Amino acid sequence: RKEVEQDPGPFNVPEGATVAFNCTYSNSASQSFFWYRQDCRKEPKLLMSVYSSGNEDGRFTAQLNRASQYISLLIRDSKLSDSATYLCAVNRGNQFYFGTGTSLTVIP
Amino acid sequence: GAVVSQHPSWVICKSGTSVKIECRSLDFQATTMFWYRQFPKQSLMLMATSNEGSKATYEQGVEKDKFLINHASLTLSTLTVTSAHPEDSSFYICSARKSLGALTEAFFGQGTRLTVV
Repeated sequence: RKEVEQDPGPFNVPEGATVAFNCTYSNSASQSFFWYRQDCRKEPKLLMSVYSSGNEDGRFTAQLNRASQYISLLIRDSKLSDSATYLCAVNRGNQFYFGTGTSLTVIP
Repeated sequence: GAVVSQHPSWVICKSGTSVKIECRSLDFQATTMFWYRQFPKQSLMLMATSNEGSKATYEQGVEKDKFLINHASLTLSTLTVTSAHPEDSSFYICSARKSLGALTEAFFGQGTRLTVV
């Protein structure tokens, strides 16, 4: 079973829409959780860490559900510039495990 | 966020030659770095985990004699693609693990686009 599973999408949403991504992880011993953003032909960049109590950064809200072993990312009021691939990641010990990424296109 | 610098950003080399890619953590020490490969429109594929002062741990199916990894210091890991062939053409990305207390994060270098002709 994969360490991290993520719906690849693509998600095509109109500008201003709210969109949510989910990601499940298989190992309950996973310690830290993250969302990354990757633009075409660029490296992934850390978008936000995901804390147990949930956290918000502007239009972005990340949540962690340890009981069900999933993390989520909510993007409100989508902008054209949000178009990218969003990868979830979990850390356990020395290792990071990445999802395959979810492609988002925000349409004018 | 932390800064990880990868060099070169792109390289074109002839088939049969070797290419060295450097990954440096500029503002923190990284005992662990990771090397990934990514083909167009595909996901990141972990190639190996680079541990400072010891041998790298390679993922299944990755030839350690072809992809030589050296992590001689806490801020530098290198990946050498030996006897490169066109099928090695890809986007190679490193990341470095930064720990601050209980928090651990991974930061990526800018990636190296390798084209073997």
